Amino acid sequence: GQQVQQSPASLVLQEGENAELQCNFSSTATQLQWFYQSPGGSLVSLLSNPSGTKHTGRLTSTTVTKERRSSLHISSSQTTDSGTYLCAIDRANTNKVVFGTGTRLQVLP
Amino acid sequence: EAAVTQSPRNKVAVTGGKVTLSCNQTNNHNNMYWYRQDTGHGLRLIHYSYGAGSTEKGDIPDGYKASRPSQENFSLILELATPSQTSVYFCASGDARGKDTQYFGPGTRLLVL
Repeated sequence: GQQVQQSPASLVLQEGENAELQCNFSSTATQLQWFYQSPGGSLVSLLSNPSGTKHTGRLTSTTVTKERRSSLHISSSQTTDSGTYLCAIDRANTNKVVFGTGTRLQVLP
Repeated sequence: EAAVTQSPRNKVAVTGGKVTLSCNQTNNHNNMYWYRQDTGHGLRLIHYSYGAGSTEKGDIPDGYKASRPSQENFSLILELATPSQTSVYFCASGDARGKDTQYFGPGTRLLVL
């Protein structure tokens, strides 16, 4: 089955609203990363957060390693936040990174 | 900021033909990776490398070979391309597995007819 599951699959917001994205994983992870993929396809790393809470700008990620879940909170969303958000884990005792299928976010003006 | 470039950006190939996708990174990262991205599957790891001369199989290596002739360059080779290999291919580099983030190239769109 899917080792990294993201929810919701898609999300539509009005500009200024907050977004909460979820990532659940079935394997023990030594690293967890959130990526942003633009509508044009380019991929950018947003945060590395294997455990605890991390902030950068309007983004906050909270990872609870024991419960194998992570969230990404986007505050005061902007139209330029539209795109796909991907969660990826480094599986413990392997050398492989596994990606979820992403949450597609659309922020309307 | 890490700089990872890929070439070509777009490629049309015929079934049975040989395709080579190239990746170059200028930040002296040890690790490099090749992924493909397909609707419904997300990004899947094909091959990766820990440094010049090393290649390792990822989750879906069948039908692909990889080559890491130098720290900067990592190629993905399709010896006999098939239509099922039509996809978008991403190369990435990173400093240390489990510690550092991965930096992605812009992607290569491959269509195999």
